[in-house]
This record gives sequence, structure tokens and C-alpha cells, in this order.
Amino acid sequence: DAKTTQPNSMESNEEEPVHLPCNHSTISGTDYIHWYRQLPSQGPEYVIHGLTSNVNNRMASLAIAEDRKSSTLILHRATLRDAAVYYCILRSSGGSNYKLTFGKGTLLTVNP
Amino acid sequence: EADIYQTPRYLVIGTGKKITLECSQTMGHDKMYWYQQDPGMELHLIHYSYGVNSTEKGDLSSESTVSRIRTEHFPLTLESARPSHTSQYLCASSPRDRVDQPQHFGDGTRLSIL
Repeated sequence: DAKTTQPNSMESNEEEPVHLPCNHSTISGTDYIHWYRQLPSQGPEYVIHGLTSNVNNRMASLAIAEDRKSSTLILHRATLRDAAVYYCILRSSGGSNYKLTFGKGTLLTVNP
Repeated sequence: EADIYQTPRYLVIGTGKKITLECSQTMGHDKMYWYQQDPGMELHLIHYSYGVNSTEKGDLSSESTVSRIRTEHFPLTLESARPSHTSQYLCASSPRDRVDQPQHFGDGTRLSIL
């Protein structure tokens, strides 16, 4: 399975935008890029996913590089409730597509 | 909103006891999963099911067992709990295994074996 690389931690201030990067240089053409987050004492929560084009939903935006070797999760206005561990995950269309392979993710701290 | 429930949220119990962790979902999803997560560490898949009467082991070896008698219910059982089983157990479901479908997670059971 292709691997992802994320910074261990990031800090942001409340009401400012946050850009969470993810590198996936070995991504294959059929791998989807998924983002989940895990708030303290909760299970992971789906945030957004994409294949090639940038994506927007009510929670966030996903910007995918043209060569697909990296992506960025964008929180447009961080709130204290956005403090969580954010996971960037690749899901392959072949083989073991039933599972999510979680790395250590990025711990986002939001300062008031 | 995802409707997947795990009980209990917290359990502290002595060594040697039989434990069943409950997981139920009201979305009619065929696919269900159990993950294990130690504090500050990654999630690892320990069991999954494609539907009723289907169960498979995941990547991480586990002494737990699962059953899938009803679509909405996917309990996990430890026949004789040991301190090494102390961890957080997370249940998830999805409507199908397409790579563009998200998994919906419960809030987990924090298990402590004394």
C-alpha cells in the first residue's frame, strides 16, 4: 500500500485558516485520498475525500496537487472544536480496499 | 449523521473474565469492522465482516472473536481477559467496500484489565 507522510503536529489560531499537508509520492492512479479526524475521546470521523480534482464540503476543502503526490486539507476558519488528530489515508481500488490504514496523523492544536 | 453505537464506553474488569463489547448500527450497512487503538498510537484492524455470517481476521493478530448473526450487530468477545488486552476498541461500518465510501465509526470502548 502506498504510504503517506504528515507532520506530527501543527498549531493554529482560532478563526484563521489551517492548511494540513500530506505527502504521498508513491500514490497510484486509482488511489483515493481520504481524510479523517479523531477528536479527543471519540472515534475517527470522515472529513473529505478526492481522486484528482479539488473537493469542497461543509467541513473542509481538499486541494490535490496536479501530479497527485501531495494534498492539503484546508479548514477555512479553525474553531476550538477542530482540535484533533487529522489522518491522511490512501485507499486503493485493488487488493485490500476494505480497510483503512491509519498512520500517526497530525495533531492540530487550535489556540483561542 | 452516522448511527453506530458502542457499549460500554468504559470498562474496568479483572483478569480472567469473559467480556463482550457491543457494536450496533442502524444504517443497514453490510460491512462492519473492529479496530484496536492504544493511547497515542495508530488504529489497527483486527476483525471485519462483509455481511451476516461472514467474519475475517484483520491485520493485527487478536485473541478476540467476533460474530455477525444480524446485519446491525457485530459484537466482539474476549473469553478470558488479560492485562495485555487493555486498549481502546473502535467499531466502524460502511455500506460497501468501494474506495470512495467512507467508514463510520463509533466512539469506542476503553477497556482496562486489572
